[in-house]
Amino acid sequence: AQSVTQLGSHVSVSEGALVLLRCNYSSSVPPYLFWYVQYPNQGLQLLLKYTTGATLVKGINGFEAEFKKSETSFHLTKPSAHMSDAAEYFCAVSEYGGSQGNLIFGKGTKLSVKP
Amino acid sequence: DVKVTQSSRYLVKRTGEKVFLECVQDMDHENMFWYRQDPGLGLRLIYFSYDVKMKEKGDIPEGYSVSREKKERFSLILESASTNQTSMYLCASSSLAGDRTDTQYFGPGTRLTVL
Repeated sequence: AQSVTQLGSHVSVSEGALVLLRCNYSSSVPPYLFWYVQYPNQGLQLLLKYTTGATLVKGINGFEAEFKKSETSFHLTKPSAHMSDAAEYFCAVSEYGGSQGNLIFGKGTKLSVKP
Repeated sequence: DVKVTQSSRYLVKRTGEKVFLECVQDMDHENMFWYRQDPGLGLRLIYFSYDVKMKEKGDIPEGYSVSREKKERFSLILESASTNQTSMYLCASSSLAGDRTDTQYFGPGTRLTVL
């Protein structure tokens, strides 16, 4: 069965610093991987996704993530944090097989950005 | 742009009331989902549907039921609301991409308080 682990429920960075949010997955088949962002009192918005092809995926708002099969990781990065990046971030993997519609979500990482 | 709308952003109900949460999507998606989100627990799948009149239990279906009479509409029903159902409820929809899901698109959420 697929699963997702996000390391760190809360990450704090200074404005202008590198953002690194960690995600590890387990899957017995080539995964589809997603990062979503949730701003306060809103739904989830897709940041980026990996399905096949290039392992470095660029998303919205300057974020990118790299699929590393050997490490079963899909970490999210941004070179320079902005105050508007403060939000909660969720990593997800697509479920394969019987429940074709499902995504398995990590528990989320709340990003704080200090001025 | 995909649009998923939910009937209410905020809802306050009393214990024992029957509660209906409505979700509508405008992209002709096959799959629709209901999640609840609680601090520290991430997103938990309540029910999903992959076709009209079809439904499947998710991880936490107890105390909930669903209805999908039309492809674009998916309703979540709390038969007899209880205080432990106070939560943020998120609806999502997606199409299929071969043998697994494509991106899930989320509504803005309904924050339900049961007194």
